[in-house]
Amino acid sequence: QSALTQPASVSGSPGQSITISCTGTSSDVGGFNYVSWYQQHPGKAPKLMIFDVSDRPSGVSNRFSGSKSGNTASLTISGLQAEDEADYYCSSYTRSSTYVFGTGTKVSVL
Amino acid sequence: QITLKESGPTLVKPTQTLTLTCTFSGFSLSTSGVAVGWIRQPPGKALEWLALMYWDDDKRYRPSLKSRLTIAKDTSKNQVVLTMTNMDPVDTATYYCAHRRVVAASRHAYDIWGQGTMVIVSS
Repeated sequence: QSALTQPASVSGSPGQSITISCTGTSSDVGGFNYVSWYQQHPGKAPKLMIFDVSDRPSGVSNRFSGSKSGNTASLTISGLQAEDEADYYCSSYTRSSTYVFGTGTKVSVL
Repeated sequence: QITLKESGPTLVKPTQTLTLTCTFSGFSLSTSGVAVGWIRQPPGKALEWLALMYWDDDKRYRPSLKSRLTIAKDTSKNQVVLTMTNMDPVDTATYYCAHRRVVAASRHAYDIWGQGTMVIVSS
């Protein structure tokens, strides 16, 4: 069960859009529509931002959107704001009925 | 309102067994579909999923740690306990417990997290 692969860092200017990728295999990302995304600010617990590939929990800004193609899922943040600067992790349900997280991406707002 | 809180020792010695308790409120682990998971995060590193306790006493473990992990529930106390044997310095991490979404056909995400508890493994 290897961690899902994410870019180490992504940056953008305020107002821009950025996209974070999350690559797995057919046993996890590609096999199920059960990818979720979490935002984590320093010293804080993770916060669920996206579930089931593209659904947002109540209260999460619609600037956050998710998608998936094959074994790669993506999180897009549009209208980037200073408060979006954080670490982001993807996660997927797996064929073994377990879960796996991604390697994490640090988002910087320039 | 759902809340979870982790508790346990801050410092354990190598080879010792770690016992962590997740005490929760706002839901019952005897309700169909409910599950509580454990996730850890070594300092400066990524999240690692560890284990999941289901309402029906089913359990799931991280394959690479399965031999060292045990998860159990005490429904009357609203607690989930995680034990990890043979602790090593590489197990130093913040350990989180989290509530898994309950909505049928849309359960595979953790919607509420505890604040986490830091565990240091050192002699």
